[in-house]
Amino acid sequence: AQKVTQTQTSISVMEKTTVTMDCVYETQDSSYFLFWYKQTASGEIVFLIRQDSYKKENATVGHYSLNFQKPKSSIGLIITATQIEDSAVYFCAMREENSGTYQRFGTGTKLQVVP
Amino acid sequence: EAGVTQSPRYAVLQEGQAVSFWCDPISGHDTLYWYQQPRDQGPQLLVYFRDEAVIDNSQLPSDRFSAVRPKGTNSTLKIQSAKQGDTATYLCASSAPGLGASAETLYFGSGTRLTVL
Repeated sequence: AQKVTQTQTSISVMEKTTVTMDCVYETQDSSYFLFWYKQTASGEIVFLIRQDSYKKENATVGHYSLNFQKPKSSIGLIITATQIEDSAVYFCAMREENSGTYQRFGTGTKLQVVP
Repeated sequence: EAGVTQSPRYAVLQEGQAVSFWCDPISGHDTLYWYQQPRDQGPQLLVYFRDEAVIDNSQLPSDRFSAVRPKGTNSTLKIQSAKQGDTATYLCASSAPGLGASAETLYFGSGTRLTVL
């Protein structure tokens, strides 16, 4: 069965530092896609970055990067040089290529960036 | 390019009342999803369509919830007799046709925040 778990409920960091948010997943599928989304205080959800399971290189987009550890079924989101505007709730999601037809989300991690 | 549009933005009901949510996806997006997001939780799929066809409605409480997408464009989600447990934000998302990264990305609307008293 497909499952996504985010154990960190909330994190607080100082501005301009680096933060890592954890996500572990369960799947029986050999091929799957992993995503991170950001939900702002207004409720808007935007896509940030993705990792395909067959790719060994960690994805990077701007100041977002991923730490993909396939043997541990883990996909961490790393934000470098954090800004106040990065304060939001971050969701991890997964879709199985062969048996999953939609993205399943974790419960989210609330990030607060303080000056 | 316009994003995903949802209305209303907020709804407050008494138990037993009916409510409808409307969604206009991004033009050209063939797949449309309805997610329910209870407070402090992640989005949970209710139903999704590809064009006008329902692909998966197994998570939809069928006795009170219904969803349609008659022309493969706009969609309506309806709750016939709302319960307090339905209090949540209802999110519509769409994705582009085809394969690859662009087809996997979900684009979300602003959501409808429902409160059932």
